[in-house]
Amino acid sequence: QQQVKQSPQSLIVQKGGISIINCAYENTAFDYFPWYQQFPGKGPALLIAIRPDVSEKKEGRFTISFNKSAKQFSLHIMDSQPGDSATYFCAATRAGGTSYGKLTFGQGTILTVHP
Amino acid sequence: AAGVIQSPRHLIKEKRETATLKCYPIPRHDTVYWYQQGPGQDPQFLISFYEKMQSDKGSIPDRFSAQQFSDYHSELNMSSLELGDSALYFCASSPRGRANNEQFFGPGTRLTVL
Repeated sequence: QQQVKQSPQSLIVQKGGISIINCAYENTAFDYFPWYQQFPGKGPALLIAIRPDVSEKKEGRFTISFNKSAKQFSLHIMDSQPGDSATYFCAATRAGGTSYGKLTFGQGTILTVHP
Repeated sequence: AAGVIQSPRHLIKEKRETATLKCYPIPRHDTVYWYQQGPGQDPQFLISFYEKMQSDKGSIPDRFSAQQFSDYHSELNMSSLELGDSALYFCASSPRGRANNEQFFGPGTRLTVL
């Protein structure tokens, strides 16, 4: 059972547009939600992360919106560029206990930004 | 800045052979995680170590074992390899003391089992 559900599977955006990727989680014990960017054949790279005590976090063109009551969070990429074309994974984890740090990933979104 | 180092980067093995993957975490990171990523799949957690002790275990086959050494590097040992073990294997490290538990991934080892 996928504990973190991500949508859409693929996304095509024009250069300069806004890319939006959504994730929903089930385990209310999760308390740290990172987003990773992965290029083919490379390791996932941490983009931005949020904790549930804030509803939004912005770093440059990347913004995470977090809705704790709905157990949903999303990544917004403003002014999308062709270089942003990659696979994006949302993830979740919780601190403490026996599962400290283990990341549970969403299924991934393949983003293509057309010039 | 120093990153996570994994070796080898590519590995080709025959069925029923053994393989050893190595991971060198970022300096002063004491926690190591191993993930397996199949083609078109999301990374799946295998096992983690904190201060040389196993801290968590995921969907890791009994044919696999791992350990973390005194210098904090980790090795993933895979025996009786099967075709389905072909995947990208990532190691990630984090400094456990940090509240946000940021994990930094290495470039991965691509294992191909023929």
